Amino acid sequence: NAGVTQTPKFQVLKTGQSMTLQCAQDMNHNSMYWYRQDPGMGLRLIYYSASEGTTDKGEVPNGYNVSRLNKREFSLRLESAAPSQTSVYFCASNSGHSNTEAFFGQGTRLTVV
Amino acid sequence: GENVEQHPSTLSVQEGDSAVIKCTYSDSASNYFPWYKQELGKRPQLIIDIRSNVGEKKDQRIAVTLNKTAKHFSLHITETQPEDSAVYFCAASIGGNNDMRFGAGTRLTVKP
Repeated sequence: NAGVTQTPKFQVLKTGQSMTLQCAQDMNHNSMYWYRQDPGMGLRLIYYSASEGTTDKGEVPNGYNVSRLNKREFSLRLESAAPSQTSVYFCASNSGHSNTEAFFGQGTRLTVV
Repeated sequence: GENVEQHPSTLSVQEGDSAVIKCTYSDSASNYFPWYKQELGKRPQLIIDIRSNVGEKKDQRIAVTLNKTAKHFSLHITETQPEDSAVYFCAASIGGNNDMRFGAGTRLTVKP
């Protein structure tokens, strides 16, 4: 099992450009998450999907959209990138039952110039 | 909104000493409290977790305590080793759904 796989690992965008971060898990998990990690601010939840077909906003959803394409895949889209979105993005998944471990992808380092 | 506070932000100890990291949370419905370790350039990985029906849990050199009344929980690492050096994150489930909020992290340095 590969676990949680994110693509790309690195990306540089110009202000105003758009892009989609891809995430896939092969653990048959119901719930998937997108976090951003900034120095001194921990992991902040952008959006999550409790199950296929549903998505909910987290702490910092502005400027992002998500799609739960199927049970395996959960993508994060930046429609018009801004320098404030420079961050490391992590996708995660868990079984969706209460109180279970979340497994993280390897992260995407995004720089917006 | 619901949040998780974590202290200290940095912690330096001598090898063999103990390290304690503390977190508080605001949502009284929180019932799951995991701790993650993130080594430099790597992804966060679960090291221990505790559920609201338990006050303490131990796994070798690592222990977690939970005080639901006071809404705080702590990570205790005994006999620290240089390989324990990393950033540690606490987290708490929000409400009855799958929302998980993280603390800001503690950078632990264990000096040989």
